[in-house]
Amino acid sequence: AQSVTQLDSQVPVFEEAPVELRCNYSSSVSVYLFWYVQYPNQGLQLLLKYLSGSTLVKGINGFEAEFNKSQTSFHLRKPSVHISDTAEYFCAVSEGGTYKYIFGTGTRLKVLA
Amino acid sequence: NAGVMQNPRHLVRRRGQEARLRCSPMKGHSHVYWYRQLPEEGLKFMVYLQKENIIDESGMPKERFSAEFPKEGPSILRIQQVVRGDSAAYFCASSSDRASYEQYFGPGTRLTVT
Repeated sequence: AQSVTQLDSQVPVFEEAPVELRCNYSSSVSVYLFWYVQYPNQGLQLLLKYLSGSTLVKGINGFEAEFNKSQTSFHLRKPSVHISDTAEYFCAVSEGGTYKYIFGTGTRLKVLA
Repeated sequence: NAGVMQNPRHLVRRRGQEARLRCSPMKGHSHVYWYRQLPEEGLKFMVYLQKENIIDESGMPKERFSAEFPKEGPSILRIQQVVRGDSAAYFCASSSDRASYEQYFGPGTRLTVT
């Protein structure tokens, strides 16, 4: 991928509200797509991945994402967030299924009581 | 079923000292990747290693940085003569032979250069 763009650096949302975190990429070849979550002072945990097949991917903790090839997007959604979802979320792309991940700059999700 | 292990978790060095960061991949994984996360930025690929081989070091700074993955023991990322700009979180990831695109990340080492 030439680049991965996460347009929103911070997203505040109230508890139990829905949320969408946006991710767009640019690439001229097929890609594998990933979303990772990073809790404060911790490593990255894989939320979900798209390799092939159904464009709607379900992950852990109630998150899902939809791959849209025409719009080169892979937005992350959750219908009802919890306080514990407060973290930084990274979108990553593996171009052509290779090892070299390209990461977005991250979106900080802050869930408010 | 231990995941990717990194130590130390936090490392403080004065300018000019050396920093050594260690990474033990997941059991059964023979591919190791190092990434650097500068403040307020995403992770950037640095280097990809297999046992005793550097496969791709295109993301490594040309000077002061080196990496190895010996036949026995953990992978080591070494930074000589650290400068303030080296302060960052350094993450290690590992993958199996069959799926290099599916990487599992360690908790990271946060390096602070004073």
